[in-house]
Amino acid sequence: GAGVSQSPSNKVTEKGKDVELRCDPISGHTALYWYRQRLGQGLEFLIYFQGNSAPDKSGLPSDRFSAERTGESVSTLTIQRTQQEDSAVYLCASSLAFHTATFGSGTRLTVV
Amino acid sequence: AQSVAQPEDQVNVAEGNPLTVKCTYSVSGNPYLFWYVQYPNRGLQFLLKYITGDNLVKGSYGFEAEFNKSQTSFHLKKPSALVSDSALYFCAVRDGDYGQNFVFGPGTRLSVLP
Repeated sequence: GAGVSQSPSNKVTEKGKDVELRCDPISGHTALYWYRQRLGQGLEFLIYFQGNSAPDKSGLPSDRFSAERTGESVSTLTIQRTQQEDSAVYLCASSLAFHTATFGSGTRLTVV
Repeated sequence: AQSVAQPEDQVNVAEGNPLTVKCTYSVSGNPYLFWYVQYPNRGLQFLLKYITGDNLVKGSYGFEAEFNKSQTSFHLKKPSALVSDSALYFCAVRDGDYGQNFVFGPGTRLSVLP
């Protein structure tokens, strides 16, 4: 597509529930990134996919967080047993290798 | 490992005056440097980048940045600030030799006062 698409744009969930966030990258982009941005804060790296290489999961904050990517296509970020501190905007970006990353509009997650 | 520092949480400037938002970086290989801007309730928008070539890079909305290898800096500048430039600005670095991910600075909030 023309840009990076994230869904849903907003998600309110109850504490303890699982949530799944989706990212559709720009077609042909080999790299895909997930970041978390808490209110008024900077970007916190979560995970990075590059082609068929093993993903860099070093930023995932706990084992409740996981992400998958099918080839060079869609990625899903799953948060299990959500906690209130998981409330944030989750941003996805994609890029060609060594090129500019293009960001989606994000998913605003609120855990109540 | 890569890292980015933005030493100022907040920068205030009067409309029409020049603005500078500072960024310093650390990377093992060749630095690929980027500036992004975030307006309220919006995603990040790309402003400009340095990969190679001329140290002075020009980007969107009249912004420019100067790559200084000896000082490991990539400060964002604009000759004449607009109120509409008020936003959150992020500097990012990528290791050009090792292909690692983008590492972002903590962000600098720019307020341009009328």
